[in-house]
Amino acid sequence: RKEVEQDPGPFNVPEGATVAFNCTYSNSASQSFFWYRQDCRKEPKLLMSVYSSGNEDGRFTAQLNRASQYISLLIRDSKLSDSATYLCVVNRVSGTYKYIFGTGTRLKVLA
Amino acid sequence: IAGITQAPTSQILAAGRRMTLRCTQDMRHNAMYWYRQDLGLGLRLIHYSNTAGTTGKGEVPDGYSVSRANTDDFPLTLASAVPSQTSVYFCASSDFPGDNYGYTFGSGTRLTVV
Repeated sequence: RKEVEQDPGPFNVPEGATVAFNCTYSNSASQSFFWYRQDCRKEPKLLMSVYSSGNEDGRFTAQLNRASQYISLLIRDSKLSDSATYLCVVNRVSGTYKYIFGTGTRLKVLA
Repeated sequence: IAGITQAPTSQILAAGRRMTLRCTQDMRHNAMYWYRQDLGLGLRLIHYSNTAGTTGKGEVPDGYSVSRANTDDFPLTLASAVPSQTSVYFCASSDFPGDNYGYTFGSGTRLTVV
């Protein structure tokens, strides 16, 4: 089993829709969690950190469920510009700090 | 320079040749990282450096070497390139190892080994 798993998609949704992605992680020692956004042929960029209590940034909401070992990203009122690949990232302390990247979920927002 | 600069942007390289991918940051970040990204495999850590003068091996270090002579530069060297090293290479940095504020990535180097 991969340490971080994501549904690769693509998720095709109409503009204005609400879409949610989940990401599961296998190591219960994981301490920090992030969502990154990556546009085609571009570098990943930090979208938001994921806090235990859940957090919101505009149309984006991130949540953490430690008991079930997954994080989620909810996007409300989808825009065409939200089309991208969303990477789930887990920062696990294991002797050396290391980010574990999921392979990403591709989102296409359709006009 | 603002953030991380990688060079070259892309390169076609003959197998067996030596090549160095350059990475420079101007944020005075302590930690730097090299990742490769392949379709279906995501981003995998090649080497990292928690601070100038130190380096460590990541998940896929074989065939690659790094050095960290100063804070700003973190070059990645392929001593004798092989086709399986065809990939997109991203350099990244963070203020501290495992920084909870996330990593800043360079724009990547697209390398094709033929």
